[in-house]
Amino acid sequence: KAGVTQTPRYLIKTRGQQVTLSCSPISGHRSVSWYQQTPGQGLQFLFEYFSETQRNKGNFPGRFSGRQFSNSRSEMNVSTLELGDSALYLCASSWLQGAGETQYFGPGTRLLVL
Amino acid sequence: AQSVTQPDIHITVSEGASLELRCNYSYGATPYLFWYVQSPGQGLQLLLKYFSGDTLVQGIKGFEAEFKRSQSSFNLRKPSVHWSDAAEYFCAVVLSNDYKLSFGAGTTVTVRA
Repeated sequence: KAGVTQTPRYLIKTRGQQVTLSCSPISGHRSVSWYQQTPGQGLQFLFEYFSETQRNKGNFPGRFSGRQFSNSRSEMNVSTLELGDSALYLCASSWLQGAGETQYFGPGTRLLVL
Repeated sequence: AQSVTQPDIHITVSEGASLELRCNYSYGATPYLFWYVQSPGQGLQLLLKYFSGDTLVQGIKGFEAEFKRSQSSFNLRKPSVHWSDAAEYFCAVVLSNDYKLSFGAGTTVTVRA
């Protein structure tokens, strides 16, 4: 079974632009979460989607948004990019939503904002 | 404040030697506990998890972890490290009434020949 895939793997953008990242979960998984990884802040939870609905949201500004489609694929959008948005963005999927569900991570999308 | 602490930022170990990575948590209730590993340029791979029951948990790649409620710890161990174990290791927790993973800062492991 294929793992979590994320596209693109690398992105370079300039301040003020917007970006869309894509995540395809493991087949059959219905929950998708997004995390941001930076050297300074570490791994931080962005949001989680289940059955096309955002169920949880981390402490990030409204410039960060996402959505989930009926096939469970998810996209994350960041508008008005800032230098501090440079990070590795990780997507994770799980079968169901819940504390006991194991989250499986993709390889990430590395975003560089210039 | 609720937190996950990995006291060691960087550990260097010789190939074939044992490895122990520390993780402490500060939560009102016992959370679900996880260890993930991240190789350079890669995503996170689950090594093992603890929800309840036997406090010694076996994982992949020869890793094990022991949950100690009295010490609020979930330390990861491997009896004999291989050069391929060089990576960054993250301890993570999830509260039973929550979903998101909260991660420690990570421990980078360097393996010397």
